[in-house]
Amino acid sequence: KAGVTQTPRYLIKTRGQQVTLSCSPISGHRSVSWYQQTPGQGLQFLFEYFSETQRNKGNFPGRFSGRQFSNSRSEMNVSTLELGDSALYLCASGQPRSDTQYFGPGTRLTVL
Amino acid sequence: KQEVTQIPAALSVPEGENLVLNCSFTDSAIYNLQWFRQDPGKGLTSLLLIQSSQREQTSGRLNASLDKSSGRSTLYIAASQPGDSATYLCAVNGGATNKLIFGTGTLLAVQP
Repeated sequence: KAGVTQTPRYLIKTRGQQVTLSCSPISGHRSVSWYQQTPGQGLQFLFEYFSETQRNKGNFPGRFSGRQFSNSRSEMNVSTLELGDSALYLCASGQPRSDTQYFGPGTRLTVL
Repeated sequence: KQEVTQIPAALSVPEGENLVLNCSFTDSAIYNLQWFRQDPGKGLTSLLLIQSSQREQTSGRLNASLDKSSGRSTLYIAASQPGDSATYLCAVNGGATNKLIFGTGTLLAVQP
């Protein structure tokens, strides 16, 4: 089976812009979670989607949003980018209450 | 609120040594605990998953143990190799959803 794929792998944006990141889960997986990784805060949970519904949300401002499509692919959007949004964004896929979650390679976002 | 701590933050050992990485969590009500490996700038690779009802899991040179009552897990790496150099992360799942709470990681360097 193909692993979790994320596109694009690298992005450079300027403050105030918005960005959309994409995640395709492993075939058959219906849950997709998003995480932000920064040197200062480590890995922090953003949100989880299952069957096109948000099941859980982390402590991030409303500028961070996401959605999931009927084929389980997910997108996350960050509006009005700030310098502090520079991070590695990782998505993970699994089944509901999955035994193991599988991570993609990440999207490296740089905000200038 | 669940908090996960990893000690040590960094570790440097000569090739061939056996080593132990530690993970502590504050809330013992977990569904499972997962150990990951992360190479620089890359995504996470799942190493071992321990269910809350299990005491340990083994894969090759890796052995992970779990003591839920004391809120601790250890990852034992036998006969370390330079290729084991990476950051090792533990993460706990409370069980209601797939949300993982990560530790801060241990940066391991195995010297040839």
